[in-house]
Amino acid sequence: AQSVAQPEDQVNVAEGNPLTVKCTYSVSGNPYLFWYVQYPNRGLQFLLKYITGDNLVKGSYGFEAEFNKSQTSFHLKKPSALVSDSALYFCAVRDAVGIYGGATNKLIFGTGTLLAVQP
Amino acid sequence: EAQVTQNPRYLITVTGKKLTVTCSQNMNHEYMSWYRQDPGLGLRQIYYSMNVEVTDKGDVPEGYKVSRKEKRNFPLILESPSPNQTSLYFCASSYLSGGTGSTGELFFGEGSRLTVL
Repeated sequence: AQSVAQPEDQVNVAEGNPLTVKCTYSVSGNPYLFWYVQYPNRGLQFLLKYITGDNLVKGSYGFEAEFNKSQTSFHLKKPSALVSDSALYFCAVRDAVGIYGGATNKLIFGTGTLLAVQP
Repeated sequence: EAQVTQNPRYLITVTGKKLTVTCSQNMNHEYMSWYRQDPGLGLRQIYYSMNVEVTDKGDVPEGYKVSRKEKRNFPLILESPSPNQTSLYFCASSYLSGGTGSTGELFFGEGSRLTVL
């Protein structure tokens, strides 16, 4: 079964420092991987995705993620953190096959990582 | 503005009192889904719909019902709410994977925080 793991419940980083939020995945076949961000009292917002191609994916708000097939990882990164980046971050993988055998839109989410950026 | 709209945003109710959380999207998406978010568990899918009149169970469907009579609306119904359904609920929508070149990223509503006493 498809799954993702976010090993850190919380990541603390000082403003201006680089940040990394970790995600590892387990899939059968080629992975479709996503990062979403959730600000307090808001819904999830799409940040970026990896489908195929370049292993370094650039997304919204200056975030990027590196797909590493050998390590089955898809870590989220940003060169210089901002206090406004403080939020809950979710990694997700698209489920492989739907119940009718075709493509599926179902996303399987990790448990989330709370990013706290200190001024 | 493209959006997914959920109502109510906040609700406190009592055990057994039927309630409906509405969800509407204005992007003409075929696929719609409900998730619940609980601390330490991430988001788990409750039900989903591939199109009008096509719905199916997700990973945690017990105690919930849905309907898809129109393409834009996908209400979540709790016939007899119980305290273990206290949670944050999200509706999401997308084009079907492979359709119009979409890779199926989901667009989420703002969430509905439900408390069942």
